[in-house]
Amino acid sequence: EVQLLESGGGLVQPGGSLRLSCAASGFTFSSNAMSWVRQAPGKGLEWVSTISGSGVSTYYADSVRGRFTISRDNSKNTLYLQMSSLRAEDTATYYCAKARYGDYGDFDYWGQGTLVTVSS
Amino acid sequence: DIQMTQSPSSLSASVGDRVTITCRASQGISNYLAWFQQKPGKAPKSLIYGASVLQSGVPSRFSGSGSGTDFTLTISSLQPEDFATYYCQQYITYPRAFGQGTKVDVK
Repeated sequence: EVQLLESGGGLVQPGGSLRLSCAASGFTFSSNAMSWVRQAPGKGLEWVSTISGSGVSTYYADSVRGRFTISRDNSKNTLYLQMSSLRAEDTATYYCAKARYGDYGDFDYWGQGTLVTVSS
Repeated sequence: DIQMTQSPSSLSASVGDRVTITCRASQGISNYLAWFQQKPGKAPKSLIYGASVLQSGVPSRFSGSGSGTDFTLTISSLQPEDFATYYCQQYITYPRAFGQGTKVDVK
């Protein structure tokens, strides 16, 4: 059974940093691209970033490029999102999601989410 | 960048109703279109991918159609557990884009 478990969310001041983690199990982690998707309170879904299975290729939304870094440790079956220069508009629940087919496809499994609040 | 536009933004329906939600892409995306269902406080759940392929375990009252720029999600007979928000997403290119969502609530 595929399981994705996010952690690392919390309250952080504007300009601060935070690292999110997503622990994966139930599939061959290194074979699938992984993504982060966020949802501001009461708002819709926003794709944030994707990393290929090997970790070589990364993609970012314009809203986070240069401030967020996606990475993965395939030996630990864990996905990361390093967030810096955080802004109030980064306040959201952050979900990790697994690509359906290798480095391609839609998201077939999602974690339960971790809440990030950026506020002074 | 490809923009995804859903309509309506919300709708009210009764159990047993046929419900149709549309999703339009700003440029052609072939059939690289997914639909997700989200209930309050929960993570999104995959319903349909490839525009019309039902995710394993999803009831057959859900169906998807379309190709190119225009897509539909249909619920043939709305059930109590189907009251939720539905999102479409294109996955042909980056940046990935979601529609703004369609909330289905009780009439």
